Amino acid sequence: EVHLVESGGGLVQPGGSLRLSCAASGFTLRSYEMNWVRQAPGKGLEWVSYISSSGSVIHYADSVKGRFTISKDTAKNSLFLQMNSLRADDTAVYYCVRGVAGDYWGQGTLVTVSS
Amino acid sequence: ETTLTQSPAFMSATPGDKVNISCKASQDIDDDLNWYQQKPGDTTIFLIQEATTLVPGIPPRFSGSGYGTDFTLTINNIQSEDAAYYFCLQHDNFPLTFGQGTKVEIK
Repeated sequence: EVHLVESGGGLVQPGGSLRLSCAASGFTLRSYEMNWVRQAPGKGLEWVSYISSSGSVIHYADSVKGRFTISKDTAKNSLFLQMNSLRADDTAVYYCVRGVAGDYWGQGTLVTVSS
Repeated sequence: ETTLTQSPAFMSATPGDKVNISCKASQDIDDDLNWYQQKPGDTTIFLIQEATTLVPGIPPRFSGSGYGTDFTLTINNIQSEDAAYYFCLQHDNFPLTFGQGTKVEIK
């Protein structure tokens, strides 16, 4: 059975950094594209970043380009999102999502950027 | 960037009703549109893929239609457990984009 479990969220000050992790089970990350998607409180969903199955193709939303970095460790079967220079408008629940089609979602991890 | 305009933002239905949720794309996206259900505290559920294909395990009262720019999620004979937030996603091009979502309440 496929499971995605995010971790690493929390409260951080503006300008700070966080690293989100997504532990995958029931499938191998080596074979799947992956995405990070976020949802700000009371708002709609926003795609954040994509990484291809090989890791050779990466895309970012304009709102996070230059500040966030997506990566994966196939040995640990885990996906990561390094978030630097965090701003208040980065406050959201961050979801790890399998595939461009988004067939499986994690439960999300809350990131709060506030002083 | 493909904008998805989803409507309505909120709807209230009675058990047994037929419900339609619309998702309109700002450009042709073929059938690269999926539908999802989200409930507070629960994992997001994948309902419909490629606009019209029911995901295995999803009750057949859910269906999807459309191609190109106009898409619809239909829930026939809606049940109390269908109270949730529904949204569409286009995966035709980057950036991936979402509809604004529809909150469905069951009276």
